[in-house]
Amino acid sequence: DTGVSQDPRHKITKRGQNVTFRCDPISEHNRLYWYRQTLGQGPEFLTYFQNEAQLEKSRLLSDRFSAERPKGSFSTLEIQRTEQGDSAMYLCASSSGLAEPYEQYFGPGTRLTVT
Amino acid sequence: SQQGEEDPQALSIQEGENATMNCSYKTSINNLQWYRQNSGRGLVHLILIRSNEREKHSGRLRVTLDTSKKSSSLLITASRAADTASYFCATYETSGSRLTFGEGTQLTVNP
Repeated sequence: DTGVSQDPRHKITKRGQNVTFRCDPISEHNRLYWYRQTLGQGPEFLTYFQNEAQLEKSRLLSDRFSAERPKGSFSTLEIQRTEQGDSAMYLCASSSGLAEPYEQYFGPGTRLTVT
Repeated sequence: SQQGEEDPQALSIQEGENATMNCSYKTSINNLQWYRQNSGRGLVHLILIRSNEREKHSGRLRVTLDTSKKSSSLLITASRAADTASYFCATYETSGSRLTFGEGTQLTVNP
């Protein structure tokens, strides 16, 4: 499968715990995006990388959230001291970024439930 | 914040009928994209229309874009039960690097 993959697909955690999600983009894509989606809503942008550089972060990305993309390949999104409001689907997408219009390819998402 | 607003929020039709979904946005855009999402799954890219295009076709899909009204529509012809999903429009702003999604239209096609 050469698409975007995410791991884990589901995560249940207790409030206050830290969680980390991983995204593996399409191999030749240099842009990687993280979105958050709550039930009944469209995805909301969190952050994006061009290669290993994190170029933009949303105001939604509080201090408890951190994302990395070492070596410009896979990316991780960590949430520290989880809160119930963090429960959502976390989506990763990648695009080639070489030329517009930057069509994005999405992974299946990681569904986080904070109890 | 969500830029796009889809209309209607929910649409229920019979198999074989056409489904039309509308999207409005607020800022200047480079392109507008439509995505489909089956329940609890990731998003699948359907079609992209650039700001200098007015209409685009792909199989049973037809997308229109009116930049003067900042609106777009997605038409699915001869719908099938398998088309049941949520449909989102997403705009790629001229000054930005991100997609901004609307809240989506939940389409149900009854067999």
